[in-house]
Amino acid sequence: KAGVTQTPRYLIKTRGQQVTLSCSPISGHRSVSWYQQTPGQGLQFLFEYFSETQRNKGNFPGRFSGRQFSNSRSEMNVSTLELGDSALYLCASSLPRGPTDTQYFGPGTRLTVL
Amino acid sequence: QQPVQSPQAVILREGEDAVINCSSSKALYSVHWYRQKHGEAPVFLMILLKGGEQKGHDKISASFNEKKQQSSLYLTASQLSYSGTYFCGTEIQDFGNEKLTFGTGTRLTIIP
Repeated sequence: KAGVTQTPRYLIKTRGQQVTLSCSPISGHRSVSWYQQTPGQGLQFLFEYFSETQRNKGNFPGRFSGRQFSNSRSEMNVSTLELGDSALYLCASSLPRGPTDTQYFGPGTRLTVL
Repeated sequence: QQPVQSPQAVILREGEDAVINCSSSKALYSVHWYRQKHGEAPVFLMILLKGGEQKGHDKISASFNEKKQQSSLYLTASQLSYSGTYFCGTEIQDFGNEKLTFGTGTRLTIIP
């Protein structure tokens, strides 16, 4: 079974631009969660989508948004990029999300904002 | 609220044991443990549930103390392959609003 895939793997953008990241979950998984990972803050939860609906959201500004398609693929968008948005963005997929469900992570997208 | 992991970093010689702790100020429903090697995605190790038993596979095991809201990860007879950053993720009992909150990680370095 193929794992979680994320594209692109690396991105370089400048301040003020916007970016879209993509995540394809493991086949059969319907829940996709997004995380931001930085050296100082660790893994910070952004949001989770299940069946095309946002189920939960972390404490990030409205510049961070996402969506999920009917095939469970998910996209994350960051508008008006800031230097502090430089990070590794990870997505994780699971079966219908519950506190006992295992999340499987993708390799991440490394975003650098100049 | 983010769980607190300790220690932040540890260096061991091959064959030595390590314990990594994860504490929360909130009542937990589950604790998830992951290991992340440099440049790679976090890899799931195990999950512990409220009321559950100590779990383990190979030489890595974990426990969950409900009274203290603390989980501990035990690595015995450490191998070079155990090097990496270990994260605990915690879930509180809030069905329909599940959110995995991660600690800041414990960097484990195993030297020959």
